[in-house]
Amino acid sequence: AQSVTQPDARVTVSEGASLQLRCKYSSSVTPYLFWYVQYPRQGLQLLLKYYSGDPVVQGVNGFEAEFSKSNSSFHLRKASVHWSDSAVYFCAVRNSGGSNAKLTFGKGTKLSVKS
Amino acid sequence: EAAVTQSPRNKVAVTGGKVTLSCNQTNNHNNMYWYRQDTGHGLRLIHYSYGAGSTEKGDIPDGYKASRPSQENFSLILELATPSQTSVYFCASGTNTGQLYFGEGSKLTVL
Repeated sequence: AQSVTQPDARVTVSEGASLQLRCKYSSSVTPYLFWYVQYPRQGLQLLLKYYSGDPVVQGVNGFEAEFSKSNSSFHLRKASVHWSDSAVYFCAVRNSGGSNAKLTFGKGTKLSVKS
Repeated sequence: EAAVTQSPRNKVAVTGGKVTLSCNQTNNHNNMYWYRQDTGHGLRLIHYSYGAGSTEKGDIPDGYKASRPSQENFSLILELATPSQTSVYFCASGTNTGQLYFGEGSKLTVL
């Protein structure tokens, strides 16, 4: 069974500072990995995805993530955060094999950006 | 514009009553999902579907049924609602590689 752990429930950073949100996954096969963002009173939106190839993937609004098979991790990064980045961020995993389209989410990390 | 729309957006129900949450997608995706979101639990998968006529159990299916009468529509049914089912419910449609498109959520309160 696949699973996702986001060890930090809340993260607070100052505007302009760098950011890393952590994600560890468990999967029996090479996974497909995702980061989604949820702004207040909205549904989730895709930030970026990793299927294969270059372990560093770029997303929207300056976000990037790095896949590490050895560490079973897919951490999200941003060089300089803006107050509008305040939101809840979810890491998700899907097994790459077979036709099972089930996506499993972590519990989320609430990011607060202070000015 | 392609979208996932949910109705109702807010619902107050009584314990033991029947609740139906509806979802419509114009993305023409085969896959559709129902999740619930609760503080401390993140998103948990209730039911999902590979296409019209199919439904599959997710991680927490107890107390819920699902119906997929067409490519566009996917409903979540609570036959006998309980206060523990008070939550925010999200519908999503998705590609086979796992990219999901979410609705804006339905807030359900069971008294």
